Amino acid sequence: QQQVKQSPQSLIVQKGGISIINCAYENTAFDYFPWYQQFPGKGPALLIAIRPDVSEKKEGRFTISFNKSAKQFSLHIMDSQPGDSATYFCAANINDYKLSFGAGTTVTVRA
Amino acid sequence: NAGVTQTPKFQVLKTGQSMTLQCAQDMNHEYMSWYRQDPGMGLRLIHYSVGAGITDQGEVPNGYNVSRSTTEDFPLRLLSAAPSQTSVYFCASSDSRDHLDTQYFGPGTRLTVL
Repeated sequence: QQQVKQSPQSLIVQKGGISIINCAYENTAFDYFPWYQQFPGKGPALLIAIRPDVSEKKEGRFTISFNKSAKQFSLHIMDSQPGDSATYFCAANINDYKLSFGAGTTVTVRA
Repeated sequence: NAGVTQTPKFQVLKTGQSMTLQCAQDMNHEYMSWYRQDPGMGLRLIHYSVGAGITDQGEVPNGYNVSRSTTEDFPLRLLSAAPSQTSVYFCASSDSRDHLDTQYFGPGTRLTVL
């Protein structure tokens, strides 16, 4: 039973478009929400992370939006590029090292 | 600075065989962990360690053993491989006891159990 539910499973976006990935959680004790990016044949790498006391965090073309009352958070990839084609995982944890991961979203950016 | 390294990259086992997946990090990180990645399930924590001599179970520990005799190494042992253990295994490490610190993942070991 996954503690973090992620959708969609996959998405295709045109170059320059916006990719949006959504995650939802039940455990209100979660206090750290990182996103990981994984390229084929590689390990996941931290992309961006947010704490629940912040509603939005932006790093370059990547933005996390956080809705504490709805227990949802999302990743927006603006001006999507072919190099952004990867699998993206949302995750959460509670004051420890045990990350709970979503199932992952495979993003394909068409040139 | 090699970061987190894992060996082997690929392995095929027969049911019942045992093997050890190796993980090493050269960043002097206290925290290390093992995850397995299966399609549609994301990554699930198998075991973790907060320092040499200290290990604990994660979400899916059955069938796996770990030990942490040094800061650098954190091997994962499959005692009697089963087809259900076919997966991609990732080792990760993190700098300190602050759970906000970045976890760095190795390149993975793809294991097939026949």
